[in-house]
Amino acid sequence: DAGVIQSPRHEVTEMGQEVTLRCKPISGHNSLFWYRQTMMRGLELLIYFNNNVPIDDSGMPEDRFSAKMPNASFSTLKIQPSEPRDSAVYFCASSLGGTANTGELFFGEGSRLTVL
Amino acid sequence: SQKIEQNSEALNIQEGKTATLTCNYTNYSPAYLQWYRQDPGRGPVFLLLIRENEKEKRKERLKVTFDTTLKQSLFHITASQPADSATYLCALVTGGFKTIFGAGTRLFVKA
Repeated sequence: DAGVIQSPRHEVTEMGQEVTLRCKPISGHNSLFWYRQTMMRGLELLIYFNNNVPIDDSGMPEDRFSAKMPNASFSTLKIQPSEPRDSAVYFCASSLGGTANTGELFFGEGSRLTVL
Repeated sequence: SQKIEQNSEALNIQEGKTATLTCNYTNYSPAYLQWYRQDPGRGPVFLLLIRENEKEKRKERLKVTFDTTLKQSLFHITASQPADSATYLCALVTGGFKTIFGAGTRLFVKA
């Protein structure tokens, strides 16, 4: 398996522009997580999905952020409009849920976002 | 408020010694606790987990303990090697597989 695939790996944009980050989870995994990592705040959970349904979006900073999972093999995280404080590395992770499993997360390589 | 705390200072040890990293938490009732390793520029990689009803878990040179009374986990790397240098993250897994991470501890192992 190719693992969790994220795109783009790097994005530089200007304040006010729309940013879309993409994630393809591991085939067969039914949970998907979006995290943001900065030096100051560490790895923060933004939102997670089970079976394509958003379960907890309490970590989404504000209305400028939205996430979708239209099917089991694709998710997007959108920021509109972007601000310099959104600059961070955004990670997507997937896992095989269910009580028989450990909930081990498999992370992508991350999307490094810089908003000027 | 809910908190997960790991040693904020980097840990520097000599090759061959045992590294011990701490994870403390407040106001969580985790079903289990996981440890991950993160190298610069990469995503975290799962190492092992320990359940709330387990006191200790081992995997090769790694050992994890979990004390739900103290709300603390200790992560040990025995016979440490320079290749063990990385950031180590603890994560609490609560109901519904919601997974929350600590800020991580950087470990440097000197040859």
